[in-house]
Amino acid sequence: AQSVTQLGSHVSVSEGALVLLRCNYSSSVPPYLFWYVQYPNQGLQLLLKYTSAATLVKGINGFEAEFKKSETSFHLTKPSAHMSDAAEYFCAVRGTGGTSYGKLTFGQGTILTVHP
Amino acid sequence: NAGVTQTPKFRVLKTGQSMTLLCAQDMNHEYMYWYRQDPGMGLRLIHYSVGEGTTAKGEVPDGYNVSRLKKQNFLLGLESAAPSQTSVYFCASTSLGRNTGELFFGEGSRLTVL
Repeated sequence: AQSVTQLGSHVSVSEGALVLLRCNYSSSVPPYLFWYVQYPNQGLQLLLKYTSAATLVKGINGFEAEFKKSETSFHLTKPSAHMSDAAEYFCAVRGTGGTSYGKLTFGQGTILTVHP
Repeated sequence: NAGVTQTPKFRVLKTGQSMTLLCAQDMNHEYMYWYRQDPGMGLRLIHYSVGEGTTAKGEVPDGYNVSRLKKQNFLLGLESAAPSQTSVYFCASTSLGRNTGELFFGEGSRLTVL
């Protein structure tokens, strides 16, 4: 079974500072990993995904994540935070095989606050 | 392109009432899912469907039923609503052809049970 742990339910940064949101996963097979973003009162939007190609994945809005198998991590980063990045971010791992196809297991979410 | 559409977007129920949430997708996706979102708990899978006429239980299925009579629609029913079912419900879909399993989400349905 897959699982995801997001370290830190709330992260606060200043505008222009580095954003680092942590995600660790557990999977018995090579995983497919995702980061989604949710703005207030909206659905989830895909930021980026890891599908066993390049370990450094670039997404939308300047975000990127690095897959580190040895650390079972998939942390999300952005060099310079913008006020519009304030949202909740979810890390997710994909179910593998058979009827688990496409089922995502989500982490608890991290709320990112950006201060002027 | 509408993508995934959920109706209604908001609903207030009294304990014991019943209701149905409708999810419609226009992307010809085979797989559809219902998740609920609660603060600090992320999204938890309620039920899912791998094709028309098939459904399966997810992580938190109790108190809910689903039906997939048409490929494009996935209905979530509450037969006797309870305050513990106050939540935001999200429908999602994906295609067999997308081997990465990326899900496409609706905008959510906010349900309050008094």
